[in-house]
Amino acid sequence: DGGITQSPKYLFRKEGQNVTLSCEQNLNHDAMYWYRQDPGQGLRLIYYSQIVNDFQKGDIAEGYSVSREKKESFPLTVTSAQKNPTAFYLCASGTGVSNTEAFFGQGTRLTVV
Amino acid sequence: EDQVTQSPEALRLQEGESSSLNCSYTVSGLRGLFWYRQDPGKGPEFLFTLYSAGEEKEKERLKATLTKKESFLHITAPKPEDSATYLCAVISGGYNKLIFGAGTRLAVHP
Repeated sequence: DGGITQSPKYLFRKEGQNVTLSCEQNLNHDAMYWYRQDPGQGLRLIYYSQIVNDFQKGDIAEGYSVSREKKESFPLTVTSAQKNPTAFYLCASGTGVSNTEAFFGQGTRLTVV
Repeated sequence: EDQVTQSPEALRLQEGESSSLNCSYTVSGLRGLFWYRQDPGKGPEFLFTLYSAGEEKEKERLKATLTKKESFLHITAPKPEDSATYLCAVISGGYNKLIFGAGTRLAVHP
């Protein structure tokens, strides 16, 4: 089945650690996005990418990093510089220029312990 | 600056009581407007994409419409299972930035 897979579903991080969240899609979508959602809040854009080896900062990129080495994959690293990383992280992919669809994964809940 | 505003923040309906959710936007070059449904603890579920003013799309009890400044999600005779947060998003600009509103939390009571 085509879709977007995020892993892990739950992740616990110690203070000062970097962690990487995985996002893989087999929809042949050009565009991929990372969002952060806090309780009762909307989605805030962290990073987005339209093509391989290119990505743009979103509204809250500080303390995060990404890579886009393959069309199918867009991992997000939450670095120790992110002071309040506990949140629900969502990855999406879209058809890009044609914009006919954009789908989400099921999310990763990150908790700092 | 591109902006998406949804209203109301929360809406409580009785089963069968039709209503509409609003999404107003200010973007530089709209390339598409999306509606999603999100259940607690899950990723948003894609509902519709609209591209141009006057366009309408329907799915079961939901109907989305688009004007040059806003979109409406009409819910006809809602059921309790329609309870969720409904999110609106727009794609704009040369890099196809996907921007979301804060959502409308809908509760439908029997």
